[in-house]
Amino acid sequence: GQQLNQSPQSMFIQEGEDVSMNCTSSSIFNTWLWYKQDPGEGPVLLIALYKAGELTSNGRLTAQFGITRKDSFLNISASIPSDVGIYFCAGLPGGGSQGNLIFGKGTKLSVKP
Amino acid sequence: EAGVAQSPRYKIIEKRQSVAFWCNPISGHATLYWYQQILGQGPKLLIQFQNNGVVDDSQLPKDRFSAERLKGVDSTLKIQPAKLEDSAVYLCASSFNGVTQYFGPGTRLLVL
Repeated sequence: GQQLNQSPQSMFIQEGEDVSMNCTSSSIFNTWLWYKQDPGEGPVLLIALYKAGELTSNGRLTAQFGITRKDSFLNISASIPSDVGIYFCAGLPGGGSQGNLIFGKGTKLSVKP
Repeated sequence: EAGVAQSPRYKIIEKRQSVAFWCNPISGHATLYWYQQILGQGPKLLIQFQNNGVVDDSQLPKDRFSAERLKGVDSTLKIQPAKLEDSAVYLCASSFNGVTQYFGPGTRLLVL
């Protein structure tokens, strides 16, 4: 089946540093979503991308829908301790059943104050 | 706007017992999803409802899992009988456009 390769698996950074993570696939996706999950909670939607090439910001977060429709990246600028958590990308495959999101395995972010 | 509600938040049962989870989606969201999230992995879709009809249940282990959304609003997911490997977080999500999904806090199930 279709899979998303999310990298890196984990990151340990210093407060104030910028962060970049990405998701890639061999298949085309129509939509990319980025979620953050805190321990003991459900994923919270950060950014939704609907068109190839789209670049969207949400505060210190910026995400882009790759031109090839096979990848997406998420950047966090000037990280702070509350950015700690697991970040998931999710994609809606091209031609797939509506709403059948495929999730990456997540990037675990740790921030040292 | 209230988010997706789920209960219970935690459940511990012994193998071969039954368990049920409840979800109330965001008001007006026609599409409702149940996911299973194993520790260290992303959520995996179990079943998708559009109003009170099933759209996709291809990954639901139907020999032990069942779900319903009788009135097209809230939904229940049942496991009967539970196995050790069912220990996971069960997430409910809803969507207004069938694409962008909003998740509830999840139910953490431990099967002993």
